[in-house]
Amino acid sequence: NAGVTQTPKFQVLKTGQSMTLQCAQDMNHEYMSWYRQDPGMGLRLIHYSVGAGITDQGEVPNGYNVSRSTTEDFPLRLLSAAPSQTSVYFCASSAGTGEYYEQYFGPGTRLTVT
Amino acid sequence: GESVGLHLPTLSVQEGDNSIINCAYSNSASDYFIWYKQESGKGPQFIIDIRSNMDKRQGQRVTVLLNKTVKHLSLQIAATQPGDSAVYFCAEKPTSGTYKYIFGTGTRLKVLA
Repeated sequence: NAGVTQTPKFQVLKTGQSMTLQCAQDMNHEYMSWYRQDPGMGLRLIHYSVGAGITDQGEVPNGYNVSRSTTEDFPLRLLSAAPSQTSVYFCASSAGTGEYYEQYFGPGTRLTVT
Repeated sequence: GESVGLHLPTLSVQEGDNSIINCAYSNSASDYFIWYKQESGKGPQFIIDIRSNMDKRQGQRVTVLLNKTVKHLSLQIAATQPGDSAVYFCAEKPTSGTYKYIFGTGTRLKVLA
């Protein structure tokens, strides 16, 4: 199993550009989520999904879109990149949709918006 | 990555000593807690968890203690090894927010040879 994979590892965007961060897992996990990690702050939840076709907003959803057409993939779209979106982005998945399942994190995507 | 770890409190311990990393959590209604380890340039890795109906839980070389009275969580690492060097942070799950964990900012552990 590859676990949770993310591409790209690094990305530089200009303000106003759009892009999609890819996330895939091969563990047949129902729950997937996106977080951002900024200096001096804990991980913050952007969006999450409890199964294919179901998504919901987290703590900081503005400026981001998600979709979940398959169990394996959960892409994060930046609609119009802003410098405030410079961050490290992590995708995570867990086996169950209950509250006490271990989350597995991907290696992250470091995004810089100039 | 390294930029995320800037300005974190740092705990330096000698190899072979025990390490204690502390976390003050924010919500008295939180019912589940997790400790994560994050090495430079990698994603967080689950270490150990504990539910609020427990005070202590042990894993392999790690122990988590929960003091609900003062909203305090600690991670004890026995016989600290160079591979333990990383940023450690806790997460709490408020009962009112099913998937919305609150993550701490972390402590950097440096193991001295």
